[in-house]
Amino acid sequence: NAGVTQTPKFQVLKTGQSMTLQCAQDMNHEYMSWYRQDPGMGLRLIHYSVGAGITDQGEVPNGYNVSRSTTEDFPLRLLSAAPSQTSVYFCASSYSTGYGEKLFFGSGTQLSVL
Amino acid sequence: TQLLEQSPQFLSIQEGENLTVYCNSSSVFSSLQWYRQEPGEGPVLLVTVVTGGEVKKLKRLTFQFGDARKDSSLHITAAQPGDTGLYLCAGAYDYKLSFGAGTTVTVRA
Repeated sequence: NAGVTQTPKFQVLKTGQSMTLQCAQDMNHEYMSWYRQDPGMGLRLIHYSVGAGITDQGEVPNGYNVSRSTTEDFPLRLLSAAPSQTSVYFCASSYSTGYGEKLFFGSGTQLSVL
Repeated sequence: TQLLEQSPQFLSIQEGENLTVYCNSSSVFSSLQWYRQEPGEGPVLLVTVVTGGEVKKLKRLTFQFGDARKDSSLHITAAQPGDTGLYLCAGAYDYKLSFGAGTTVTVRA
């Protein structure tokens, strides 16, 4: 049972570099989302998708792009990394229970931007 | 601005003691979830409470949703070292989730 798989686990970038964080789920969930977790600030929603071909912005979308070409994959792209993007990133897939989403998280990517 | 405030931020107790973690907001939520996160891993859903005043029990963990659906508490009875982790609450509104900053619980053997 793979669930939600994120790669890489760790990444160090220089300011201005670009990279893609990969996320794949095998639970056939329509909803997928990206969060960043910073000390003292909890999890903040970056972008989310309600199905293949549909994406929308969350609370902190600036500096990040996403696409959803398949149900399984939801990559997060940093176009020009900045030190403020140093964080731990979590991908989640979810389904609606009728009174809220039930989220399944990946194990995270720890990103440092120098 | 975070909708949910969790307290305390850190909690360290001895094995066998009880503890309570609080999650408060001025907003009303359609439901509230509690997650536990261990170092190097993503959060794992523990419970969802939906009805004002609802109480749910999960072994030694008791979750309560406030009558007005603005706050919640998590009580752990006879804590064990395996309960160590970051406890996060998340409120559902407009089909989205807003997370609190979390409470780091350390249970010493």
